[in-house]
Amino acid sequence: AQTVTQSQPEMSVQEAETVTLSCTYDTSESDYYLFWYKQPPSRQMILVIRQEAYKQQNATENRFSVNFQKAAKSFSLKISDSQLGDAAMYFCAYRSWGTYKYIFGTGTRLKVLA
Amino acid sequence: DVKVTQSSRYLVKRTGEKVFLECVQDMDHENMFWYRQDPGLGLRLIYFSYDVKMKEKGDIPEGYSVSREKKERFSLILESASTNQTSMYLCASSIPGEGAGRGTEAFFGQGTRLTVV
Repeated sequence: AQTVTQSQPEMSVQEAETVTLSCTYDTSESDYYLFWYKQPPSRQMILVIRQEAYKQQNATENRFSVNFQKAAKSFSLKISDSQLGDAAMYFCAYRSWGTYKYIFGTGTRLKVLA
Repeated sequence: DVKVTQSSRYLVKRTGEKVFLECVQDMDHENMFWYRQDPGLGLRLIYFSYDVKMKEKGDIPEGYSVSREKKERFSLILESASTNQTSMYLCASSIPGEGAGRGTEAFFGQGTRLTVV
């Protein structure tokens, strides 16, 4: 069975600085998707970024980028120029190609310090 | 934009009550999900549905059932609520299909905080 591990329950970053959130996963599949979701205090979970496993190029969305290491089964999220609005719970998620189920990690709470 | 709406943000129920959590999505998504979110445990899948009247158990289905009579609506039912079911419940939906740009992500509702006393 696939698993997703987020080893950092909580992280802090100064405003305008860069922070990296870690995620590792375990799978025997070769085709899959990886996601980072953000859950602000208002609770609505929103997609931050998505990576298809067949793509070697790391995904980027404005200040958010990933470091996808397929062989190492690692999928970290880098937030550049951190803003107060980035404070939230961040969840890493996995979905196998051709399946419906999303598997989530336990989350990392990010605090942004002014 | 996709909208997933959960009927309540907060609910307080008594032990032994039958509880209904409702979820509606407006984008004609085939797949719908119910997750439970607890601190330190992340999101755990309770049930999911890939079509009307179709359902499959997730990782923690005990004490729950679901109903999907219409494509846009997916209900989670706590047959006899217990205090260990106090939690945050998240509904999500997605479309099937693969490939870049085909909406492979799940879209979430705002969550229902259920307290069983």
